[in-house]
Amino acid sequence: EAQVTQNPRYLITVTGKKLTVTCSQNMNHEYMSWYRQDPGLGLRQIYYSMNVEVTDKGDVPEGYKVSRKEKRNFPLILESPSPNQTSLYFCASSFSRQGTEAFFGQGTRLTVV
Amino acid sequence: ELKVEQNPLFLSMQEGKNYTIYCNYSTTSDRLYWYRQDPGKSLESLFVLLSNGAVKQEGRLMASLDTKARLSTLHITAAVHDLSATYFCAVDMDSNYQLIWGAGTKLIIKP
Repeated sequence: EAQVTQNPRYLITVTGKKLTVTCSQNMNHEYMSWYRQDPGLGLRQIYYSMNVEVTDKGDVPEGYKVSRKEKRNFPLILESPSPNQTSLYFCASSFSRQGTEAFFGQGTRLTVV
Repeated sequence: ELKVEQNPLFLSMQEGKNYTIYCNYSTTSDRLYWYRQDPGKSLESLFVLLSNGAVKQEGRLMASLDTKARLSTLHITAAVHDLSATYFCAVDMDSNYQLIWGAGTKLIIKP
């Protein structure tokens, strides 16, 4: 089954404790991205990746890191989480960046206290 | 700066009625997408519109794109409760590889 898998689904952590949210897709998609969703703000792109070893900043990259060492995986790293990073995070992948639909993971609800 | 504006942001309607959600964007693009999100769930692709005048239909939903007016519409015909969800439009920027999203339209359809 074609899917984008995020882990964990829920995470409560403390300020400053490094964490990683994993994202994996099994569709051989080249393009992957991370979004955060906050009430009233829609989805905002954090980082995206055009292919292995090619990443770039989206609208709200501050406080986040990503890597794309393998085509299927695109982890999101918060080196020192802060409460303003409490949000719902989605990973998405698509065959190419433009003109194709994106497939979304189930989301990770992160709370930083 | 590219802006994508949806309206209305909230819509409560009765079953059986027709209504339209609007998505306006502020720069040139001929690629627009519609997604649906159920409460507490992920996003699901509904339509991919890739040219001026594109029209796509799936069941009671029909989406269209007018790139000259920089406007897309999502029309709901004879609404049913199962269509209750939040609907997002998103626009490709021509100049880079970012996708810019509208704030979403929360649709509640009452029996």
